[in-house]
Amino acid sequence: EADIYQTPRYLVIGTGKKITLECSQTMGHDKMYWYQQDPGMELHLIHYSYGVNSTEKGDLSSESTVSRIRTEHFPLTLESARPSHTSQYLCASSEYGRDYEQYFGPGTRLTVT
Amino acid sequence: SQQGEEDPQALSIQEGENATMNCSYKTSINNLQWYRQNSGRGLVHLILIRSNEREKHSGRLRVTLDTSKKSSSLLITASRAADTASYFCATAANQAGTALIFGKGTTLSVSS
Repeated sequence: EADIYQTPRYLVIGTGKKITLECSQTMGHDKMYWYQQDPGMELHLIHYSYGVNSTEKGDLSSESTVSRIRTEHFPLTLESARPSHTSQYLCASSEYGRDYEQYFGPGTRLTVT
Repeated sequence: SQQGEEDPQALSIQEGENATMNCSYKTSINNLQWYRQNSGRGLVHLILIRSNEREKHSGRLRVTLDTSKKSSSLLITASRAADTASYFCATAANQAGTALIFGKGTTLSVSS
């Protein structure tokens, strides 16, 4: 069982609200990631971080922002939620390097009404 | 940028049968990994095969890699109903620090 946690697991929220999805890991991993995944579809990388104060945008353009102030914490924020943001958001972490697996959290299923 | 493409998209078999899933990719890689995802959950790492390896085993899993064809296959032997899940391949580029790129996945259904 991976030591990576996401809260909330499910969130239903109205259009225009600001939301923050939490992700934390206790493995001391330098690298952390956020993916967006629609049901039954592929994963799209939206943000990643190589360490504290490092954040990069992924392949899929996203209106969300991230921060990495502490190694163990990588929150994702949507300033103004829209129905197009409805999706599952998966957080992952890994050690730095090329031969390391990623550990995934259980995901947050977001519905914007 | 899409790297991996799994084939087939969906596979239905009976318990005890073998399941084979294929993954093709486009650019040179350092390693290729397979992950499993149960419905509505996060992904779980299954196996990693490096670019200089051709075959790897882990329990009932067998992975092959053909870098000349830029393809990999995942074989699950003696499948069980509990193997029902989506399976994704993911590739790691040669440049250190780059993120994994995931394919679209194969949905496996194993009926008892």
